[in-house]
Amino acid sequence: AQSVSQHNHHVILSEAASLELGCNYSYGGTVNLFWYVQYPGQHLQLLLKYFSGDPLVKGIKGFEAEFIKSKFSFNLRKPSVQWSDTAEYFCAVNSFNKFYFGSGTKLNVKP
Amino acid sequence: NAGVMQNPRHLVRRRGQEARLRCSPVKGHSHVYWYRQLPEEGLKFMVYLQKENIIDESGMPKERFSAEFPKEGPSILRIQQVVRGDSAAYFCASSADSSNQPQHFGDGTRLSIL
Repeated sequence: AQSVSQHNHHVILSEAASLELGCNYSYGGTVNLFWYVQYPGQHLQLLLKYFSGDPLVKGIKGFEAEFIKSKFSFNLRKPSVQWSDTAEYFCAVNSFNKFYFGSGTKLNVKP
Repeated sequence: NAGVMQNPRHLVRRRGQEARLRCSPVKGHSHVYWYRQLPEEGLKFMVYLQKENIIDESGMPKERFSAEFPKEGPSILRIQQVVRGDSAAYFCASSADSSNQPQHFGDGTRLSIL
């Protein structure tokens, strides 16, 4: 079965710092990849997705992610974080019509 | 905003009672997924339903838990004889099809067991 690993459980950054959150998945077949964000007290919202094509995907709010097939990774990046990016971030993989979520990374951006 | 609607937002039950969680998917979506989020843990898949059919219930406990998505009305996640360990946030998501489309999430139901 597919599994998704997010190695950073808590990340604390100052505003304007660069962000990279790791995501690795276990199954090497055809997969679709997603990053979701959950702001405090809100539901999950889609940040970006990768189905095929350019492995560097641009999402909303300045986020991007790079799919590296050889490393089974789909890391999320943002060059300069803002206080409003404080949230929990979930990586998700869709394979065989089933979604698998990572355990999430809580990002705390200090003003 | 006709997104995924879940109710109630908060539900308190005593041990042994029944909990019913409702989910109305995005209009036009026929695929519904239920997830459980325990404190400090990520989302865990529970069950995937299409209209009137359970497609995959591999993540749902074999006892006390059941789910349905009738032809008319919302999807229901039912937990019988609740125990303290059932306390969690339960999220519903819907999608237009089962392939690679992103899922749209509801705000969740936070279940507390006294």
